[in-house]
Amino acid sequence: GAGVSQSPSNKVTEKGKDVELRCDPISGHTALYWYRQSLGQGLEFLIYFQGNSAPDKSGLPSDRFSAERTGGSVSTLTIQRTQQEDSAVYLCASSDRDLNQPQHFGDGTRLSIL
Amino acid sequence: GEDVEQSLFLSVREGDSSVINCTYTDSSSTYLYWYKQEPGAGLQLLTYIFSNMDMKQDQRLTVLLNKKDKHLSLRIADTQTGDSAIYFCAVDSWGKLQFGAGTQVVVTP
Repeated sequence: GAGVSQSPSNKVTEKGKDVELRCDPISGHTALYWYRQSLGQGLEFLIYFQGNSAPDKSGLPSDRFSAERTGGSVSTLTIQRTQQEDSAVYLCASSDRDLNQPQHFGDGTRLSIL
Repeated sequence: GEDVEQSLFLSVREGDSSVINCTYTDSSSTYLYWYKQEPGAGLQLLTYIFSNMDMKQDQRLTVLLNKKDKHLSLRIADTQTGDSAIYFCAVDSWGKLQFGAGTQVVVTP
């Protein structure tokens, strides 16, 4: 596909469950980013992968959040023991960072914790 | 930390020009961006400007950058109803984007 693809588009789960959100970046993009968009906090950076370098995890709000990027392509954001405050839209973006290109976003996963 | 501030709301008549303003604090940003978000959708990149430029024009969009005042603006000429959306200013901070709260633009006939 031409753009960043995220799945699922919507996820409803019970408090305390674990969730996995997937991001398929634009082919060939070396950098991949996760952001969170919530009513109270706006758009927040979570984590950033660039090539084979160690990820920048400085935006992860707690140790319940983790992410991995396999084979330099697809990424999974995992939230363990979900809490109601985790309800938000999780947005993934990718860019060809080697060329200092802008970030292109997917449509996001809307996560609702009951 | 870095701050990016925008006005929250703008109402404009169809056919008029819209101007959305943004101020930021991080002077090391190399790129500054404008994104558009429609309801239920992700962020659509509208345009961006490199920090050594002071103006960029792209069809109906004009971006002005005043580095001294750390002020960025987006002008939309001949605003259409399809331009109704939330517009986010973002600055590049060591690879990560810092976003403003977004300006909701409502276009009235």
